Amino acid sequence: QKEVEQDPGPLSVPEGAIVSLNCTYSNSAFQYFMWYRQYSRKGPELLMYTYSSGNKEDGRFTAQVDKSSKYISLFIRDSQPSDSATYLCAMRVDQGGKLIFGQGTELSVKP
Amino acid sequence: SAVISQKPSRDICQRGTSLTIQCQVDSQVTMMFWYRQQPGQSLTLIATANQGSEATYESGFVIDKFPISRPNLTFSTLTVSNMSPEDSSIYLCSATGNSGSKYYNEQFFGPGTRLTVL
Repeated sequence: QKEVEQDPGPLSVPEGAIVSLNCTYSNSAFQYFMWYRQYSRKGPELLMYTYSSGNKEDGRFTAQVDKSSKYISLFIRDSQPSDSATYLCAMRVDQGGKLIFGQGTELSVKP
Repeated sequence: SAVISQKPSRDICQRGTSLTIQCQVDSQVTMMFWYRQQPGQSLTLIATANQGSEATYESGFVIDKFPISRPNLTFSTLTVSNMSPEDSSIYLCSATGNSGSKYYNEQFFGPGTRLTVL
């Protein structure tokens, strides 16, 4: 079993839809959770960074962490074609620790 | 966020040769890392580049194949040695913000170096 599981998609939605991206993990020691967006032929761009459980909102993006269920989510409201990219979840145990990535979900937002 | 640049952005190399990839960060950072991303795959950590000491390699990666330097707090190099077509991949430099910065503990990535080995 992989430490971090993420549905690779692809996921296709119409413009304006609410998108839900999810990851599950097995290591209960993970405390730091990140979501990255990666456009084709570009490096990953940090979107959201969350410590421990709870929600964090930034514009159209909301990150949720449920440590009891070992489940994290990224919600995108009012999705735009420019949101079309691969979204990677990542997490680590402590501040200097190794970042473990999910497989990435490919999202396509159709105009 | 910290700005990370890499050189070259892409290269096509012959089997058996070596390529050195440079990574420059625009501010002092605590930790620097090198990742590999094969087509359609997620990121795999190659090693942590330690300033002033030998890099720490992950299982499956060795110093002879991927020598790494980190002479200061803003610069690192990764060499891919004695290349084979299996080394064709994107190589990404990454760094975490310094403890004195607002980006402390956030991890950023460079644009990547796209390597093709013939």
